[in-house]
Amino acid sequence: DTEVTQTPKHLVMGMTNKKSLKCEQHMGHRAMYWYKQKAKKPPELMFVYSYEKLSINESVPSRFSPECPNSSLLNLHLHALQPEDSALYLCASSQVGLAGGEQFFGPGTRLTVL
Amino acid sequence: QKEVEQDPGPLSVPEGAIVSLNCTYSNSAFQYFMWYRQYSRKGPELLMYTYSSGNKEDGRFTAQVDKSSKYISLFIRDSQPSDSATYLCAMSADNFNKFYFGSGTKLNVKP
Repeated sequence: DTEVTQTPKHLVMGMTNKKSLKCEQHMGHRAMYWYKQKAKKPPELMFVYSYEKLSINESVPSRFSPECPNSSLLNLHLHALQPEDSALYLCASSQVGLAGGEQFFGPGTRLTVL
Repeated sequence: QKEVEQDPGPLSVPEGAIVSLNCTYSNSAFQYFMWYRQYSRKGPELLMYTYSSGNKEDGRFTAQVDKSSKYISLFIRDSQPSDSATYLCAMSADNFNKFYFGSGTKLNVKP
């Protein structure tokens, strides 16, 4: 099973709302990622978790708050977003370190901020 | 200079043609190379994964890595309209969990 699942598929929120995106994988991967993708652009890395600890934060604004409750789950908490944050948010997972290798993506959550 | 360069296209070919997609990179530490296919408004789908140099074949797809030239390729044989999508190359170095993406090449296979 090489599946990464994400919920919800679509999300519309106002600039004062608080919402969360969820991601789950059962491949035993210990690295999980959040990416942001704008139309006609490649995925842009936001955060990386290795062994449930935040290892990379690509200078993402604090209105995005990641959380990794266990080795299978990854959340992205959203608060006070701006319209320019509207994008496809992708979760991915892979092995860690020397076995880095293949990275699998979920289908994404399409976020619209009004 | 970007870490990974990829021609954005669009690339338009007739059905049945052989398609060649390419990326160049600057970081000689990259060891892991991937090709993704992404349909509009969907997540990227892993097509091919190669470690270090060499060729890898899977059905109609062949991935090649030439580390001496810092150049990777994806060939699609007998292209089909269903292959119409954006193709992204991605790569990573040992001991890092950071993947560098090309900008993507949009492919259109005409029936």
